[in-house]
Amino acid sequence: EVQLVESGGGLVQPGGSLRLSCAASGFTFSSYSMTWVRQAPGKGLEWVSYISTSSDTIHYVDSVKGRFTISRDNAKKSLSLQMNSLRAEDTAVYYCARVSTPNYYNYYMDVWGKGTTVTVSS
Amino acid sequence: DIQMTQSPSSLSASVGDRVTITCRASRSISTNLNWYQQKPGKAPKLLIYAASSLQSGVPSRFSGSGAGTDFTLTINSLQPEDFVIYYCQQSYSTLWTFGQGTKVEIK
Repeated sequence: EVQLVESGGGLVQPGGSLRLSCAASGFTFSSYSMTWVRQAPGKGLEWVSYISTSSDTIHYVDSVKGRFTISRDNAKKSLSLQMNSLRAEDTAVYYCARVSTPNYYNYYMDVWGKGTTVTVSS
Repeated sequence: DIQMTQSPSSLSASVGDRVTITCRASRSISTNLNWYQQKPGKAPKLLIYAASSLQSGVPSRFSGSGAGTDFTLTINSLQPEDFVIYYCQQSYSTLWTFGQGTKVEIK
């Protein structure tokens, strides 16, 4: 079964750090780009970051640039998101998602984890 | 950044109705447009990719169309499990963005 399982969420004080992980199974992890998407309480979806298969292409939403770092370990089939200098507005459920493309032109997120909750509060 | 605007933000319909949700991009995104469904407390689920391609396993009552800046998601014959939230998302630019969501409610 194709599966993504996030972990690492929790309560952290403003200015603190947290590292999220996403464990992949049931597919060839190294063949897929990956992303993080978050959803603040009662709000819509916000794309956070993207990493290509070999980690040579990485993108971030402007609001997390310089604070968050995405990485992957293809041998361990794992995706990570290091979050530093956390703010109250980073409070959200964080989802990892697999990126698929039929033609290297159209990209979409076809497999999602259940999410891990990050709460930034004093 | 490319802004995605969905309309309406919410709509009321009955079981068996046909509904259409619109998504407009702030500039042309070709067909780099995807639609997701999200049920309460659950992760989003991919419905439509590349504007009009139905994801495997998704019922055929869902369809998508459009190109450039204007896109639509149509649900034919609404079923009880369809009364949830729908999001469009562009993957044209390097910074991906979602629409604000459309909540489909039971009339």
